[in-house]
Amino acid sequence: GENVEQHPSTLSVQEGDSAVIKCTYSDSASNYFPWYKQELGKGPQLIIDIRSNVGEKKDQRIAVTLNKTAKHFSLHITETQPEDSAVYFCAASTASNNDMRFGAGTRLTVKP
Amino acid sequence: ETGVTQSPTHLIKTRGQQVTLRCSSQSGHNTVSWYQQALGQGPQFIFQYYREEENGRGNFPPRFSGLQFPNYSSELNVNALELDDSALYLCASSLDSGQETQYFGPGTRLLVL
Repeated sequence: GENVEQHPSTLSVQEGDSAVIKCTYSDSASNYFPWYKQELGKGPQLIIDIRSNVGEKKDQRIAVTLNKTAKHFSLHITETQPEDSAVYFCAASTASNNDMRFGAGTRLTVKP
Repeated sequence: ETGVTQSPTHLIKTRGQQVTLRCSSQSGHNTVSWYQQALGQGPQFIFQYYREEENGRGNFPPRFSGLQFPNYSSELNVNALELDDSALYLCASSLDSGQETQYFGPGTRLLVL
């Protein structure tokens, strides 16, 4: 089955800097890759997603890149703000399987 | 807010007991997926319900079962609770099955003593 690995497990940046979180997946059939932000005491909130027919997607300060050949995808947050502090999860799934696999999460801290 | 609600928010049970968790999906969504999130880990897929039928299951034993109702709300039932069942249980609703965007509820935190 699919295995998703996420790095780093913790990331601390200064306000205004960029943050990058990387994920790799094992199943070459995976073709949907969402990113979720989870704040303390809340459920995961979708922040951006990408499908395998696209190499990059941007939404304001957030971007995701996908390298299908290398089977990895990354989340980029620019101009970080303290409210970006949270745990971020990547996930992957295939068209034939409703089992969405999540990475272990990255705790991002943005220091003012 | 996603419009997905879960009840109760917290629950304490003892080993061997049974528990039922509830989820109301976002308006217009016919698919509900359930996940277990242990402390410090990512969510793990339990199963999905689509139009009242189970539509995919993760690596969880049969004592984890579910239901979906005609209004597409859903229940997760866990029998013979074990200490390792202590976790945050999340439901997510989506417009349809397959790779539609999933919107998560706030979760139910279950503690098994």
